[in-house]
Amino acid sequence: NAGVTQTPKFQVLKTGQSMTLQCAQDMNHNSMYWYRQDPGMGLRLIYYSASEGTTDKGEVPNGYNVSRLNKREFSLRLESAAPSQTSVYFCASTTRTGPNQPQHFGDGTRLSIL
Amino acid sequence: SQQGEEDPQALSIQEGENATMNCSYKTSINNLQWYRQNSGRGLVHLILIRSNEREKHSGRLRVTLDTSKKSSSLLITASRAADTASYFCATDQRGSTLGRLYFGRGTQLTVWP
Repeated sequence: NAGVTQTPKFQVLKTGQSMTLQCAQDMNHNSMYWYRQDPGMGLRLIYYSASEGTTDKGEVPNGYNVSRLNKREFSLRLESAAPSQTSVYFCASTTRTGPNQPQHFGDGTRLSIL
Repeated sequence: SQQGEEDPQALSIQEGENATMNCSYKTSINNLQWYRQNSGRGLVHLILIRSNEREKHSGRLRVTLDTSKKSSSLLITASRAADTASYFCATDQRGSTLGRLYFGRGTQLTVWP
């Protein structure tokens, strides 16, 4: 099993450009999450999708949009990239068929905004 | 804002020694989880301890939870160079049905051969 797959792994953008980060999971998980990780800040939740067809804001949603395309895929879009969005972005998923379930993470997308 | 806070921020030890990392949190929880992150990789789940549990073991890992003090510790026994990584605690807050986790800033563990 591939688990959680993120594409691309690296990306450099210019300020104002747009792009979409892709995430797909093959574990039939209900819930999916997008985090950003900055040095010394740990992981901060951007958006999440508790189930197919629903999305909700996390701690730092400004400047981002998401789409839960189907049960497998959850994309994160930067409409007009800013240098403050330079970060490592992680997608995660979990099943909510029962309580106390861990999250499974992809290997991240390293994004630099110039 | 972060729910969990790890202590220390960095820890450097020799192979064979034990490593202890601590996590404090602020609100009532369903469970507390520990994750490892190797350089350049995603987080990997290590162990989950429920709010009604006090101690849990998995291989060389031992986790304790004190809900009265809102704190947890992760002990790695007989450490190896391959244990070098960042370790994060994450809390699943009580009342949440959405699976959201709140992560701390992590402890960077370096194990020297």
